[in-house]
Amino acid sequence: EDKVVQSPLSLVVHEGDTVTLNCSYEVTNFRSLLWYKQEKKAPTFLFMLTSSGIEKKSGRLSSILDKKELFSILNITATQTGDSAVYLCAVGKTSYDKVIFGPGTSLSVIP
Amino acid sequence: DAGITQSPRHKVTETGTPVTLRCHQTENHRYMYWYRQDPGHGLRLIHYSYGVKDTDKGEVSDGYSVSRSKTEDFLLTLESATSSQTSVYFCAISDQDTYEQYFGPGTRLTVT
Repeated sequence: EDKVVQSPLSLVVHEGDTVTLNCSYEVTNFRSLLWYKQEKKAPTFLFMLTSSGIEKKSGRLSSILDKKELFSILNITATQTGDSAVYLCAVGKTSYDKVIFGPGTSLSVIP
Repeated sequence: DAGITQSPRHKVTETGTPVTLRCHQTENHRYMYWYRQDPGHGLRLIHYSYGVKDTDKGEVSDGYSVSRSKTEDFLLTLESATSSQTSVYFCAISDQDTYEQYFGPGTRLTVT
């Protein structure tokens, strides 16, 4: 059975801290790993990773994939209160673009 | 933002009644999905479509049916609503080439 696991499930940090969110997966027919941010509404797309070892960056956020060890991390540096959200990890499969989501990590950034 | 709308945005219904949720896109994307989101479970796939009249089941399809007669519309029907179907329902679309999914605003359904 396909499985996507995220850790920690919740996290509270102070503004300015750096955080690392983890995602591991056991999925057949892997095609891509995706990260989304959800703030009390619909998830919004952050990154898609398909190759191991290639870091993707967007501002203070970065992510990397290890296809051998079957995990990905999402780093957020110099956190701000606006980073407070649930971060969802998902794995895309090769069959008809099916996507399996993890349970999410709830991040709270306090001033 | 991707052009995806969902209707209704909120609905309260009684157990045993049929309910239809609508997802409409203006992006001409091939793939459309229905998810439900519940505390502790994240997003779970109900049904998805890979073209007009082409649909398949996701991991939590029992009690739900779907139809896609046009590229732009994907309907989710609860044949006989139960309290366990109280949830937030999200529609999503993706393009064949990019694989990224874009989500609609969600429908909050309460079954009493």
